[in-house]
Amino acid sequence: DAKTTQPNSMESNEEEPVHLPCNHSTISGTDYIHWYRQLPSQGPEYVIHGLTSNVNNRMASLAIAEDRKSSTLILHRATLRDAAVYYCISTGAGSYQLTFGKGTKLSVIP
Amino acid sequence: NAGVTQTPKFQVLKTGQSMTLQCAQDMNHNSMYWYRQDPGMGLRLIYYSASEGTTDKGEVPNGYNVSRLNKREFSLRLESAAPSQTSVYFCASSEAGPYYGYTFGSGTRLTVV
Repeated sequence: DAKTTQPNSMESNEEEPVHLPCNHSTISGTDYIHWYRQLPSQGPEYVIHGLTSNVNNRMASLAIAEDRKSSTLILHRATLRDAAVYYCISTGAGSYQLTFGKGTKLSVIP
Repeated sequence: NAGVTQTPKFQVLKTGQSMTLQCAQDMNHNSMYWYRQDPGMGLRLIYYSASEGTTDKGEVPNGYNVSRLNKREFSLRLESAAPSQTSVYFCASSEAGPYYGYTFGSGTRLTVV
């Protein structure tokens, strides 16, 4: 599983897009990129995951660099409810072990 | 939908006491997991069960035992609690491994004094 690097914290204004970066320079060809978020006093919540191409769902978009050494989670319109710690995780396709780092704490300013 | 239910939500133990944390899921998931989260830290995997009848150690298994009672239930036991086990414990489940996304419970806050 590749090590991931994220900024400790970021700020965003409400109703603006947010781009959360993640570096995973040692990722292998079969490692997936997963994003989870954890709201205060709650368990983590699955956001999105992908392998090579960009992915979209109702919560967010995941943009994966062509060389796969980095990715960006995109929240299209930040709301106060999006204030959370966001975790970027890289793991092999057959692995059952998601390793959570310290993540990026996103603050949303009204 | 209840999702993943953990009991109890809060617990205070004395050093040396034992207890079992319960976890049940109603999504017919095959895989279940136990994590702990210490203040300011990410989650660390204690044990997981890829499917009913199997269990495997994660990153920090020492001091814990687990039982996959059936497909729905996965319990975590502390045989002799220590202050270092003070933490928030999260149970999670997934259809089969991380590819399908984990669903987490709301956590058990355990304090060992």
